[in-house]
Amino acid sequence: SAVISQKPSRDICQRGTSLTIQCQVDSQVTMMFWYRQQPGQSLTLIATANQGSEATYESGFVIDKFPISRPNLTFSTLTVSNMSPEDSSIYLCSVIPRGSGTNEQFFGPGTRLTVL
Amino acid sequence: KQEVTQIPAALSVPEGENLVLNCSFTDSAIYNLQWFRQDPGKGLTSLLLIQSSQREQTSGRLNASLDKSSGRSTLYIAASQPGDSATYLCAVGDYKLSFGAGTTVTVRA
Repeated sequence: SAVISQKPSRDICQRGTSLTIQCQVDSQVTMMFWYRQQPGQSLTLIATANQGSEATYESGFVIDKFPISRPNLTFSTLTVSNMSPEDSSIYLCSVIPRGSGTNEQFFGPGTRLTVL
Repeated sequence: KQEVTQIPAALSVPEGENLVLNCSFTDSAIYNLQWFRQDPGKGLTSLLLIQSSQREQTSGRLNASLDKSSGRSTLYIAASQPGDSATYLCAVGDYKLSFGAGTTVTVRA
């Protein structure tokens, strides 16, 4: 498994501002992902964070709105840009640890974002 | 596109009763099926992973089965306890997971 931390754990932001969420893992991982969980909904994959290259975004998500960085094997950031109330969600990062033969995913504790 | 459905959406049982949670998926060509637990306002805890070549996995009081031909998985929790109260999510995929909406379980003391 892996121990995953996210910062901040929660935040309240004003419309039109941006927030950067950090995801730190205690060991090297092969893959990192960002998910969104809107109120009362299940999780939706935003993108795969690729080390040293541009993230791979899912349909409906774009880099201008959700820029992602992954400078090394244990750290990634997700920025939610030009926020609106519709961006109020829990944002979670997940990882597949290096050496996993099963692709089992482990999730961070999430960042609860409220946009006013 | 893979669609994942979980029924029922909510379940309330008295302590000690066995829990049966259902998950169905539309595309049987899956790689993995993973069951998670989510406590209110928290992240996800991985409970069990079943690879496509497997029929079931067990961990303590938890047992998950997989029937790819019918597109179904079932999570059994034996002798439920109040601490089992949470939302249970199933997810299907190789590394890109498609999630069901979850079953919210309440175990009454």
